[in-house]
Amino acid sequence: QLQLQESGPGLVKPSETLSLTCTVSGGSISSNTYYWGWIRQSPGKGLEWIGAMYHTGKTYYNPSLESRVTMSVDKSKNQFSLKLTSVTASDTAVYFCARHTGIAVARTPRYYFDSWGRGTLITVS
Amino acid sequence: DIVMTQSPDSLAVSLGERATINCKSSQSVLHSSNNKNFLAWYQQKPGQPPKLLIYWASTRESGVPDRFSGSGSGTDFTLTISSLQAEDAAVYYCQQYYSTSCSFGQGTKLEIK
Repeated sequence: QLQLQESGPGLVKPSETLSLTCTVSGGSISSNTYYWGWIRQSPGKGLEWIGAMYHTGKTYYNPSLESRVTMSVDKSKNQFSLKLTSVTASDTAVYFCARHTGIAVARTPRYYFDSWGRGTLITVS
Repeated sequence: DIVMTQSPDSLAVSLGERATINCKSSQSVLHSSNNKNFLAWYQQKPGQPPKLLIYWASTRESGVPDRFSGSGSGTDFTLTISSLQAEDAAVYYCQQYYSTSCSFGQGTKLEIK
């Protein structure tokens, strides 16, 4: 059974960098079928897709966050990571990692999310 | 950007009755490449992540009870729970994946009357 588990600091100071890791168990992050990525949820903005990556390192980011987001993968540990720079209070949210399933259209992926981690609350203060 | 708008924001339905949640997209999510609607539905209970219920607007995810069904095409979609059970109390979200930068509706809170 696939499981995803987020890990991170919980509290980040304004202007600093938020770093999160998602550990995948029960499945391989190197699968050719799936992308892996991050979604956050806050009372003010609801659910917001952050970005996705393929095991080759190819990434896709939400344009509204692209200038501050970097995602990476560590296949040896079956993990992928998120870095969000220059955080502000508006980045306070529950951050979920999720498996992305979908289809390529015009060579770009379109995905829904069929497996999620439990989420981790990140507070910027 | 495609904006997803759900209605109502909340509703209360009696056990055994039908619940209907609507989702409208600001542009069509029906793609000509495969003639499918790039629309998914999720259920979220307190303290839990969202759970995928429906994708391609009407395909039920494995293990999801058949009282959940999705319908619609283009810009207007509906999630129907045919006979409400107590465990169906939750917030429901629609999501478009027509664009690579996907987006969610604001959520509809379903309560038991």
